Amino acid sequence: RKEVEQDPGPFNVPEGATVAFNCTYSNSASQSFFWYRQDCRKEPKLLMSVYSSGNEDGRFTAQLNRASQYISLLIRDSKLSDSATYLCVARYSGNTPLVFGKGTRLSVIA
Amino acid sequence: NAGVTQTPKFQVLKTGQSMTLQCAQDMNHNSMYWYRQDPGMGLRLIYYSASEGTTDKGEVPNGYNVSRLNKREFSLRLESAAPSQTSVYFCASRYRDVRGETQYFGPGTRLLVL
Repeated sequence: RKEVEQDPGPFNVPEGATVAFNCTYSNSASQSFFWYRQDCRKEPKLLMSVYSSGNEDGRFTAQLNRASQYISLLIRDSKLSDSATYLCVARYSGNTPLVFGKGTRLSVIA
Repeated sequence: NAGVTQTPKFQVLKTGQSMTLQCAQDMNHNSMYWYRQDPGMGLRLIYYSASEGTTDKGEVPNGYNVSRLNKREFSLRLESAAPSQTSVYFCASRYRDVRGETQYFGPGTRLLVL
C-alpha cells in the first residue's frame, strides 16, 4: 500500500477558479511534508513545504492536519500556467528518503 | 551552478544489454537519489546514498546497482536490461538546513528497452 495517497484527477478548472487537492499519509510518525510540482515531461520541483501551522505563498496555501493525517493544497485564482501534476510528499524522519504520492493532475482551461 | 545533471537524456537498449546512467551535482549535497517514474505508478525510489561512501536500497532495487563515486557523482547501472525497466529515470540531491529542505532533480533519462 502506497504510504501517500492522492486523487489522481484530472482536475479541469477554468481560469480564475479556486481548486483544492487533498492527500493522506499512512505513517503517523511522518515529520515533514511538501508539495512538488511536475510539468509535463519535466522533473519535479519543490512548490512549497507544509508547516504545522499552515503556510501561504502567494496564491498557494498548504495545510497540515496531523490528527486526520492529511495535507491539502489550495490554489486561488488559477492561471493557465498552473497546469501541471502536483505531488504530495512526506518524510518519516530526518534522514529517511522522501515518499511521493502518485500525483494529482491539474488542467486550467481558458 | 548547473544543479543536477544526467546523461544520457535518451537511450534505447536491447534486452540483455547493460548500461550506466550518470548523475552529477555541483551543489555539495550529501544525499543523492535514483528514482524511476512510470505512468500510474508515480516516483519510486530505486537506491539512495545518504552520504559519500554509503548506499541503500529503496523501494524497487532489483535489477539495478549503484555507485557513489564521490560526493558529486552517483551512477545507476543496469547489468542486463529488461523491457520492465523501460521508464524515465530521475536523479536527485538533497539540500537541508535549519529552515527546511529541498530535493533537486535532474532532467531525467528516458530509457526504452526493446
